[in-house]
Amino acid sequence: KAGVTQTPRYLIKTRGQQVTLSCSPISGHRSVSWYQQTPGQGLQFLFEYFSETQRNKGNFPGRFSGRQFSNSRSEMNVSTLELGDSALYLCASSENSYNEQFFGPGTRLTVL
Amino acid sequence: GQQVMQIPQYQHVQEGEDFTTYCNSSTTLSNIQWYKQRPGGHPVFLIQLVKSGEVKKQKRLTFQFGEAKKNSSLHITATQTTDVGTYFCAGLSLGSSNTGKLIFGQGTTLQVKP
Repeated sequence: KAGVTQTPRYLIKTRGQQVTLSCSPISGHRSVSWYQQTPGQGLQFLFEYFSETQRNKGNFPGRFSGRQFSNSRSEMNVSTLELGDSALYLCASSENSYNEQFFGPGTRLTVL
Repeated sequence: GQQVMQIPQYQHVQEGEDFTTYCNSSTTLSNIQWYKQRPGGHPVFLIQLVKSGEVKKQKRLTFQFGEAKKNSSLHITATQTTDVGTYFCAGLSLGSSNTGKLIFGQGTTLQVKP
């Protein structure tokens, strides 16, 4: 099976802009979770989608949103970007969010 | 809210020495998972522990889940340079509606000197 793919791999934006990141899970996986990884904060849970429904949400402001499509592909959107949003954004897919998570390579977002 | 603390944050060892990282949760966990992230890479699943007091081994790696299901440890015997990376624990607490989320510890970064 093909692994989890994320696009784009690298992104440079300026403050105030918005960005959309995409994640294609492993075929057959219905759960997609998003994480923000920064050097000082580790892996912070953003949200999890299962069968097009947001099932869990982390403690991030409303500028961070996501959705999942009927083919399980997921997107996350960050509006009004801030410098502190610079991070590696990882998505992970699994059959069920409670089992082994398969991570994608991540999208490295830099906000200038 | 639920917190998962992991210590130490960094560990430098000489090749051949042992290494241990510890994970503690503020709440009782349904399961705990361990991941390894190589420098420049993404987290890769190592193992999942579910039962109270469970011990699992993978070659030189030994994973333990505490009796109270609130703590866990990963022990590496005789480290090798290939063990370099950041090790994360991730704890899951299931709510009354049988939904939950994985909370990751901050990770322990292991450096191995040859």
